[in-house]
Amino acid sequence: NAGVMQNPRHLVRRRGQEARLRCSPMKGHSHVYWYRQLPEEGLKFMVYLQKENIIDESGMPKERFSAEFPKEGPSILRIQQVVRGDSAAYFCASSPFAGGAGRGYTFGSGTRLTVV
Amino acid sequence: SQQGEEDPQALSIQEGENATMNCSYKTSINNLQWYRQNSGRGLVHLILIRSNEREKHSGRLRVTLDTSKKSSSLLITASRAADTASYFCATEGIIQGAQKLVFGQGTRLTINP
Repeated sequence: NAGVMQNPRHLVRRRGQEARLRCSPMKGHSHVYWYRQLPEEGLKFMVYLQKENIIDESGMPKERFSAEFPKEGPSILRIQQVVRGDSAAYFCASSPFAGGAGRGYTFGSGTRLTVV
Repeated sequence: SQQGEEDPQALSIQEGENATMNCSYKTSINNLQWYRQNSGRGLVHLILIRSNEREKHSGRLRVTLDTSKKSSSLLITASRAADTASYFCATEGIIQGAQKLVFGQGTRLTINP
């Protein structure tokens, strides 16, 4: 089991371009969570998805950001028309149960997005 | 906000000493978790303590939870240089009807050889 896989590890985009971040959860995990981390800060919750459904997107900006977790394939976090303030590390976590079910979450290594 | 507040923000000690990090939170929780993050890497789950537990051990780690004070501490005994990392507490509970894991700002721990 390769754990939670995120790619790319590093992504550089010019202002106005689109960024697509991918997350493949651990085998058997159907719950995916996306977090954003600014330098020297903790992780901020963005969105929680279960296969084909968005369960909670309360932490995700309503404009330019979207997320999906299709029946087949990885979860995708999409940022349209990126701005410098989107530069951050984006982490994905997966769980076999809703809310981690009190067993802790498994995190990927993150995608570091730099907007130039 | 359920956001945890961690104290201190940074801690530097000598190898072999014990390191203590504290976390406070504001609302009721189901459990509290501690994670470690090495520079430029992802988070690694260290230990989870449920709201009905007061103390938990895992190797050189000892976690306490005081729900009356809404606080937790992480003790790392006999620290090693490899323990150098940022440590985050995260509380799991229901916020606005949804189960969420909310992180604190973290403590940057440096172990000097």
